[in-house]
Amino acid sequence: SQTIHQWPATLVQPVGSPLSLECTVEGTSNPNLYWYRQAAGRGLQLLFYSVGIGQISSEVPQNLSASRPQDRQFILSSKKLLLSDSGFYLCAQGQGGNQPQHFGDGTRLSIL
Amino acid sequence: EDQVTQSPEALRLQEGESSSLNCSYTVSGLRGLFWYRQDPGKGPEFLFTLYSAGEEKEKERLKATLTKKESFLHITAPKPEDSATYLCAVFISNFGNEKLTFGTGTRLTIIP
Repeated sequence: SQTIHQWPATLVQPVGSPLSLECTVEGTSNPNLYWYRQAAGRGLQLLFYSVGIGQISSEVPQNLSASRPQDRQFILSSKKLLLSDSGFYLCAQGQGGNQPQHFGDGTRLSIL
Repeated sequence: EDQVTQSPEALRLQEGESSSLNCSYTVSGLRGLFWYRQDPGKGPEFLFTLYSAGEEKEKERLKATLTKKESFLHITAPKPEDSATYLCAVFISNFGNEKLTFGTGTRLTIIP
């Protein structure tokens, strides 16, 4: 079965600092990969998805970017964090279409 | 606009007290509905997929059903370990546009 690793589990960063969150997937090949942000009282918001190495689609304009340097690695980055970037970031993988996505355990990001 | 609404927002039950959670949707082109369980500080854990009206899925004390406008997650004789937030998500596909939209969840608390 597939396993999704996210790290770190929690992160506290000052405003204006850079960010790099990593997600790696095991037990599957050529997955679709997704980055979501979950805010309290709101549904999961899709930020980026990737159907293959180097292929990134952005769903909302924002201060963040994503990269997929390897088939099973997905990275979320920022050059300068804003207060509004605080939240719970989740990585997910799936086979696309109407197949379910499976999630990692997330990174809690706090911006001070 | 596609919408997914979950009710109630929060539900407290005594151990053994059965109830149902609701997920209603106003979308066109539904291709699948997913239920997830999310524990505090963790990523969503996949429970069920439903693809067509009339379909039912069961797992232990949980049963998910689907109509053309809503889905129910029935919980029978719940135990304290069933306490979690339950999320539903709908997958739609229209003219090549595919989208997964999450509800905001129902926070379920089972009191011993």
